[in-house]
Amino acid sequence: GENVEQHPSTLSVQEGDSAVIKCTYSDSASNYFPWYKQELGKRPQLIIDIRSNVGEKKDQRIAVTLNKTAKHFSLHITETQPEDSAVYFCAALLYSGGGADGLTFGKGTHLIIQP
Amino acid sequence: DTGVSQDPRHKITKRGQNVTFRCDPISEHNRLYWYRQTLGQGPEFLTYFQNEAQLEKSRLLSDRFSAERPKGSFSTLEIQRTEQGDSAMYLCASSWGIRADTQYFGPGTRLTVL
Repeated sequence: GENVEQHPSTLSVQEGDSAVIKCTYSDSASNYFPWYKQELGKRPQLIIDIRSNVGEKKDQRIAVTLNKTAKHFSLHITETQPEDSAVYFCAALLYSGGGADGLTFGKGTHLIIQP
Repeated sequence: DTGVSQDPRHKITKRGQNVTFRCDPISEHNRLYWYRQTLGQGPEFLTYFQNEAQLEKSRLLSDRFSAERPKGSFSTLEIQRTEQGDSAMYLCASSWGIRADTQYFGPGTRLTVL
């Protein structure tokens, strides 16, 4: 089955600086890669996703890059703000159209924005 | 709130008791997923429904766990003879249509087994 590794486990950055979180996956057939943000005691919220037919996707201060050859993908947050502080999870999925297995998640990165 | 809802939000039970959780997906979402999340970990996939059919079960889903989605709308997850190791957050997610890979999560049910 799929295995997703996520690094770092904790990331502390100064407000206004950029943050980068990296994930690798094991199943080359995986084709969908979402990122979720989870604040303490709350549900995981989808913040951005990318499918294997593109290499990069951007939404305001958030961007995701995908390298299918190396089987890794990264989340980039620019101009970080205090409200970006949370745990971020990457995930991978092999979606075939006829059905979908569950997402395989990384262990999460606790992002701390220092004022 | 038209998002995924779960009930109860918290459940405390004694070891050996049975518990049942409910998930109401986003209206018209035909796919429903159950995950389990323990402290400091990412969610782990348990099982998946497309309409009322249970199509996938993780090996994490022991025979003490059973899930149903009888009318293709809400779903229930039952744990029989609970063990302390079952203590976790149980999350439900739903998706639909062309973007069926995009899953939206509920707030979860936090289970504590004493």
